[in-house]
Amino acid sequence: AQTVTQSQPEMSVQEAETVTLSCTYDTSESNYYLFWYKQPPSRQMILVIRQEAYKQQNATENRFSVNFQKAAKSFSLKISDSQLGDTAMYFCACLTQGGSEKLVFGKGTKLTVNP
Amino acid sequence: DSGVTQTPKHLITATGQRVTLRCSPRSGDLSVYWYQQSLDQGLQFLIQYYNGEERAKGNILERFSAQQFPDLHSELNLSSLELGDSALYFCASSVASRAVDTQYFGPGTRLTVL
Repeated sequence: AQTVTQSQPEMSVQEAETVTLSCTYDTSESNYYLFWYKQPPSRQMILVIRQEAYKQQNATENRFSVNFQKAAKSFSLKISDSQLGDTAMYFCACLTQGGSEKLVFGKGTKLTVNP
Repeated sequence: DSGVTQTPKHLITATGQRVTLRCSPRSGDLSVYWYQQSLDQGLQFLIQYYNGEERAKGNILERFSAQQFPDLHSELNLSSLELGDSALYFCASSVASRAVDTQYFGPGTRLTVL
């Protein structure tokens, strides 16, 4: 069974600064994807970034990038030049192939960007 | 906007009642997933359908059932509702079934059981 752990329940950052959210996961599957989803106060679940486990290169999407350490089963999200609109809950999730293609989520990190 | 639609946005009902939540996937997506988000359990997978067939079951109660119709929209039926069923219910969709693929989420239906 997969597990995803986010050890930081809450974090805060000043506008324009950089923040890193941590995530560790555990799976016995060799083929899997990792995701970060954002849930702003509107409660919509928005895809931020995804990483294929077979790719060594870390994914980037504009101000968002990941540090994927496969051996350590670590998948952290770095947000650069933080903006007020980045205030949200951030969920790390793992999706494996084989059987159910269900997402397994961590408990989330509440990020507040302060002006 | 993810392209996944869910109705209704909010639903308030009483214990013992039955409700139906509806989801329309993104155009071209064949897989539909249902998730429940509650304060104590977090985000949990309930069930997956692919092209009309049930593909996988998660932590779905026997009082809950779902189906996917020929036009690929899906409905989640919740019956004999209890206070603990109050939660945000998300539908997500993706293109594939067996291949690992990104799931895009709808805006959710907030269910309140009084």
